[in-house]
Amino acid sequence: QQQVKQSPQSLIVQKGGISIINCAYENTAFDYFPWYQQFPGKGPALLIAIRPDVSEKKEGRFTISFNKSAKQFSLHIMDSQPGDSATYFCAASISGSARQLTFGSGTQLTVLP
Amino acid sequence: DGGITQSPKYLFRKEGQNVTLSCEQNLNHDAMYWYRQDPGQGLRLIYYSQIVNDFQKGDIAEGYSVSREKKESFPLTVTSAQKNPTAFYLCASSSNQGRSSNQPQHFGDGTRLSIL
Repeated sequence: QQQVKQSPQSLIVQKGGISIINCAYENTAFDYFPWYQQFPGKGPALLIAIRPDVSEKKEGRFTISFNKSAKQFSLHIMDSQPGDSATYFCAASISGSARQLTFGSGTQLTVLP
Repeated sequence: DGGITQSPKYLFRKEGQNVTLSCEQNLNHDAMYWYRQDPGQGLRLIYYSQIVNDFQKGDIAEGYSVSREKKESFPLTVTSAQKNPTAFYLCASSSNQGRSSNQPQHFGDGTRLSIL
């Protein structure tokens, strides 16, 4: 079964701190790993994505770290802000697969002011 | 503005009733998807469609039906056979260009369905 396991379920961080969310997958055929950000009452929006040919990708305060041998990837949010408070989902997919994404269970991030 | 429109935002269903959730996109995307979101369970795929007049079951298709008569539209019907329909339903779309690469999925803002 294609699964993506995400942890922690919830995370509370002080303003300016680093938020770290982890995901692990089983299917070695996965070759695309996006992260989505969702605010209450809204649909998820693509935040950042990585392919397994690189070990890290950075966009502003958001960084994905990827460990192919361990089949794990993580999202790091540097200098976390109250506006980052949202639910974050990792996902994985196989290029050319019609069904596209398999999602993790989500992490609810709260950044305290 | 291009995007995905889901309606209604809130929907109430009586026992034994079928209800239809609307999803319209003007992004000229070929592929469309329906997900169900429950607290602590992430997004689970109900149905997906890669092209007009064709669709496939996802992981939790029982009690749901879809149609894809137009490229822009992918309505989801929650039938009376779905015994636990209370959830947040999300529609998404993506381009099929470049099948060897992954195109991002764009989501609507969802429909929250509740049982009366």
